[in-house]
Amino acid sequence: GAGVSQTPSNKVTEKGKYVELRCDPISGHTALYWYRQSLGQGPEFLIYFQGTGAADDSGLPNDRFFAVRPEGSVSTLKIQRTERGDSAVYLCASSSRTDSYEQYFGPGTRLTVT
Amino acid sequence: DAKTTQPPSMDCAEGRAANLPCNHSTISGNEYVYWYRQIHSQGPQYIIHGLKNNETNEMASLIITEDRKSSTLILPHATLRDTAVYYCIVKSPNQAGTALIFGKGTTLSVSS
Repeated sequence: GAGVSQTPSNKVTEKGKYVELRCDPISGHTALYWYRQSLGQGPEFLIYFQGTGAADDSGLPNDRFFAVRPEGSVSTLKIQRTERGDSAVYLCASSSRTDSYEQYFGPGTRLTVT
Repeated sequence: DAKTTQPPSMDCAEGRAANLPCNHSTISGNEYVYWYRQIHSQGPQYIIHGLKNNETNEMASLIITEDRKSSTLILPHATLRDTAVYYCIVKSPNQAGTALIFGKGTTLSVSS
Protein backbone atom coordinates (compact mmCIF):
# COMPACT_ATOMS: atom_id res chain seq x y z
CA GLY A 1 0.00 0.00 0.00
CA ALA A 2 0.92 3.66 -0.16
CA GLY A 3 3.46 4.86 2.33
CA VAL A 4 3.97 8.28 3.86
CA SER A 5 4.40 10.93 1.21
CA GLN A 6 5.86 14.42 1.54
CA THR A 7 5.76 17.37 -0.78
CA PRO A 8 7.71 19.07 -2.10
CA SER A 9 10.77 16.84 -2.13
CA ASN A 10 13.00 19.90 -2.36
CA LYS A 11 12.33 23.52 -1.49
CA VAL A 12 14.68 26.44 -1.93
CA THR A 13 13.62 29.73 -0.41
CA GLU A 14 15.14 33.06 0.46
CA LYS A 15 15.84 34.14 4.00
CA GLY A 16 12.80 35.79 5.51
CA LYS A 17 10.23 33.99 3.35
CA TYR A 18 7.36 31.77 4.51
CA VAL A 19 7.24 28.06 3.59
CA GLU A 20 4.78 25.23 3.97
CA LEU A 21 5.74 21.56 3.94
CA ARG A 22 3.08 18.90 3.47
CA CYS A 23 2.80 15.36 4.83
CA ASP A 24 0.31 12.68 3.75
CA PRO A 25 0.40 9.87 6.32
CA ILE A 26 -0.56 6.26 5.78
CA SER A 27 -4.34 6.00 5.57
CA GLY A 28 -5.88 5.27 8.95
CA HIS A 29 -2.82 6.19 10.99
CA THR A 30 -3.91 8.44 13.81
CA ALA A 31 -0.46 9.47 15.05
CA LEU A 32 1.70 11.82 12.99
CA TYR A 33 5.18 13.14 13.78
CA TRP A 34 7.45 15.79 12.36
CA TYR A 35 11.23 15.54 12.71
CA ARG A 36 14.08 17.69 11.43
CA GLN A 37 17.44 16.27 10.36
CA SER A 38 20.56 18.37 9.92
CA LEU A 39 23.56 17.08 8.02
CA GLY A 40 25.40 14.36 9.90
CA GLN A 41 22.87 14.22 12.71
CA GLY A 42 20.02 11.90 13.59
CA PRO A 43 16.45 13.11 13.20
CA GLU A 44 15.28 15.54 15.89
CA PHE A 45 11.68 15.52 17.09
CA LEU A 46 9.57 18.62 16.43
CA ILE A 47 5.88 17.86 17.05
CA TYR A 48 3.46 14.98 17.44
CA PHE A 49 -0.25 14.84 16.54
CA GLN A 50 -2.81 12.38 17.82
CA GLY A 51 -5.78 12.91 15.54
CA THR A 52 -6.29 16.61 14.92
CA GLY A 53 -4.61 17.92 18.03
CA ALA A 54 -0.95 18.51 18.77
CA ALA A 55 -0.26 16.19 21.69
CA ASP A 56 3.36 17.27 22.09
CA ASP A 57 4.97 20.30 20.46
CA SER A 58 7.93 20.48 22.81
CA GLY A 59 10.43 20.04 19.97
CA LEU A 60 9.44 23.13 17.99
CA PRO A 61 12.48 25.40 18.20
CA ASN A 62 10.61 28.72 18.39
CA ASP A 63 7.36 30.44 17.50
CA ARG A 64 8.30 30.73 13.82
CA PHE A 65 7.42 27.05 13.50
CA PHE A 66 3.82 25.89 13.49
CA ALA A 67 2.04 22.75 12.33
CA VAL A 68 -1.59 21.83 11.71
CA ARG A 69 -3.59 18.71 11.00
CA PRO A 70 -7.15 20.01 10.64
CA GLU A 71 -8.91 16.81 9.55
CA GLY A 72 -6.71 14.28 11.27
CA SER A 73 -4.91 13.10 8.16
CA VAL A 74 -2.77 15.50 6.09
CA SER A 75 -0.47 17.77 8.08
CA THR A 76 1.30 20.97 7.13
CA LEU A 77 4.44 22.29 8.79
CA LYS A 78 4.68 26.06 8.47
CA ILE A 79 7.83 28.10 8.94
CA GLN A 80 7.66 31.88 9.06
CA ARG A 81 10.55 34.30 8.44
CA THR A 82 12.88 31.49 7.45
CA GLU A 83 16.51 31.65 8.51
CA ARG A 84 19.55 29.95 7.02
CA GLY A 85 19.72 27.76 10.13
CA ASP A 86 16.36 26.26 9.21
CA SER A 87 18.00 24.47 6.29
CA ALA A 88 17.56 20.76 6.90
CA VAL A 89 15.60 17.70 5.82
CA TYR A 90 12.14 17.71 7.37
CA LEU A 91 10.81 14.20 7.94
CA CYS A 92 7.26 13.13 8.60
CA ALA A 93 6.26 9.81 10.16
CA SER A 94 2.97 8.16 11.05
CA SER A 95 1.90 5.23 13.17
CA SER A 96 -1.28 3.43 14.08
CA ARG A 97 -2.30 3.71 17.71
CA THR A 98 -2.18 -0.01 18.24
CA ASP A 99 1.28 -0.47 16.70
CA SER A 100 2.96 2.50 18.26
CA TYR A 101 6.35 0.77 18.35
CA GLU A 102 6.83 1.30 14.63
CA GLN A 103 6.84 4.67 12.96
CA TYR A 104 6.69 4.82 9.18
CA PHE A 105 8.74 7.63 7.71
CA GLY A 106 8.34 9.55 4.52
CA PRO A 107 11.28 10.45 2.26
CA GLY A 108 11.52 13.96 3.66
CA THR A 109 11.55 17.49 2.27
CA ARG A 110 14.96 19.07 1.84
CA LEU A 111 14.64 22.76 2.73
CA THR A 112 17.39 25.14 1.72
CA VAL A 113 17.26 28.74 2.89
CA THR A 114 19.57 31.02 0.92
CA ASP B 1 19.53 13.55 24.58
CA ALA B 2 19.85 10.03 23.22
CA LYS B 3 20.10 7.37 25.93
CA THR B 4 22.26 5.10 23.81
CA THR B 5 25.89 4.98 22.71
CA GLN B 6 26.98 3.53 19.38
CA PRO B 7 30.28 3.47 17.47
CA PRO B 8 30.26 6.11 14.73
CA SER B 9 31.19 3.72 11.93
CA MET B 10 31.75 0.08 11.02
CA ASP B 11 32.81 -1.82 7.92
CA CYS B 12 31.62 -5.22 6.77
CA ALA B 13 32.39 -7.44 3.80
CA GLU B 14 29.47 -8.47 1.65
CA GLY B 15 28.09 -11.85 2.68
CA ARG B 16 29.53 -11.67 6.17
CA ALA B 17 27.60 -11.02 9.36
CA ALA B 18 27.42 -7.43 10.54
CA ASN B 19 27.28 -7.05 14.32
CA LEU B 20 26.32 -3.57 15.47
CA PRO B 21 26.69 -2.87 19.20
CA CYS B 22 24.73 -0.45 21.35
CA ASN B 23 25.15 0.56 24.98
CA HIS B 24 22.09 1.63 26.95
CA SER B 25 23.26 1.39 30.54
CA THR B 26 20.49 3.63 31.92
CA ILE B 27 17.61 1.73 30.36
CA SER B 28 14.63 1.40 32.65
CA GLY B 29 12.51 -1.67 33.23
CA ASN B 30 9.66 -0.80 30.88
CA GLU B 31 11.78 0.47 28.01
CA TYR B 32 12.27 -1.50 24.84
CA VAL B 33 15.27 -1.40 22.52
CA TYR B 34 14.41 -0.38 18.95
CA TRP B 35 16.58 -0.39 15.88
CA TYR B 36 15.98 1.74 12.82
CA ARG B 37 18.14 2.30 9.80
CA GLN B 38 18.38 5.12 7.29
CA ILE B 39 19.60 4.51 3.79
CA HIS B 40 21.03 7.56 2.07
CA SER B 41 18.37 10.11 1.04
CA GLN B 42 15.54 8.08 2.55
CA GLY B 43 13.56 8.29 5.78
CA PRO B 44 14.41 5.95 8.66
CA GLN B 45 13.05 2.40 8.47
CA TYR B 46 12.06 0.21 11.42
CA ILE B 47 14.10 -2.99 11.74
CA ILE B 48 13.34 -4.76 15.01
CA HIS B 49 12.66 -4.23 18.70
CA GLY B 50 12.89 -6.23 21.93
CA LEU B 51 12.56 -6.06 25.69
CA LYS B 52 14.81 -8.74 27.16
CA ASN B 53 14.56 -11.84 25.02
CA ASN B 54 16.46 -12.24 21.79
CA GLU B 55 14.38 -11.45 18.75
CA THR B 56 14.63 -12.41 15.08
CA ASN B 57 12.72 -11.34 12.01
CA GLU B 58 13.31 -11.43 8.28
CA MET B 59 15.68 -8.48 8.44
CA ALA B 60 17.84 -9.06 11.49
CA SER B 61 18.40 -10.54 14.93
CA LEU B 62 18.57 -8.61 18.18
CA ILE B 63 20.61 -9.90 21.08
CA ILE B 64 20.05 -8.16 24.43
CA THR B 65 22.35 -8.87 27.36
CA GLU B 66 20.85 -10.31 30.51
CA ASP B 67 21.34 -7.07 32.42
CA ARG B 68 19.81 -5.20 29.45
CA LYS B 69 22.58 -2.62 29.49
CA SER B 70 23.68 -3.39 25.94
CA SER B 71 22.48 -5.05 22.77
CA THR B 72 23.73 -6.14 19.37
CA LEU B 73 21.93 -5.97 16.06
CA ILE B 74 23.00 -8.75 13.73
CA LEU B 75 22.58 -8.70 9.98
CA PRO B 76 23.46 -12.33 9.21
CA HIS B 77 24.51 -11.94 5.57
CA ALA B 78 25.17 -8.29 4.80
CA THR B 79 24.61 -7.03 1.28
CA LEU B 80 25.58 -3.77 -0.39
CA ARG B 81 22.00 -2.59 0.13
CA ASP B 82 22.51 -2.79 3.89
CA THR B 83 24.87 0.19 3.75
CA ALA B 84 23.10 2.73 5.94
CA VAL B 85 23.10 4.57 9.26
CA TYR B 86 21.78 2.32 12.02
CA TYR B 87 20.10 3.87 15.05
CA CYS B 88 19.60 2.18 18.41
CA ILE B 89 16.79 3.78 20.45
CA VAL B 90 15.25 3.01 23.86
CA LYS B 91 11.61 3.84 24.40
CA SER B 92 8.63 2.74 26.42
CA PRO B 93 5.84 1.42 24.18
CA ASN B 94 3.35 2.29 26.88
CA GLN B 95 3.90 5.93 26.05
CA ALA B 96 1.80 5.69 22.93
CA GLY B 97 2.88 8.15 20.34
CA THR B 98 5.98 9.45 22.05
CA ALA B 99 8.78 10.59 19.83
CA LEU B 100 11.82 8.56 18.92
CA ILE B 101 15.02 10.09 20.26
CA PHE B 102 17.76 9.49 17.72
CA GLY B 103 21.47 9.74 18.38
CA LYS B 104 24.04 9.90 15.61
CA GLY B 105 23.89 6.16 14.96
CA THR B 106 26.45 3.86 13.37
CA THR B 107 27.30 4.24 9.71
CA LEU B 108 27.66 0.72 8.34
CA SER B 109 29.58 0.41 5.08
CA VAL B 110 29.24 -2.93 3.28
CA SER B 111 31.77 -3.52 0.55
CA SER B 112 32.27 -6.26 -2.03
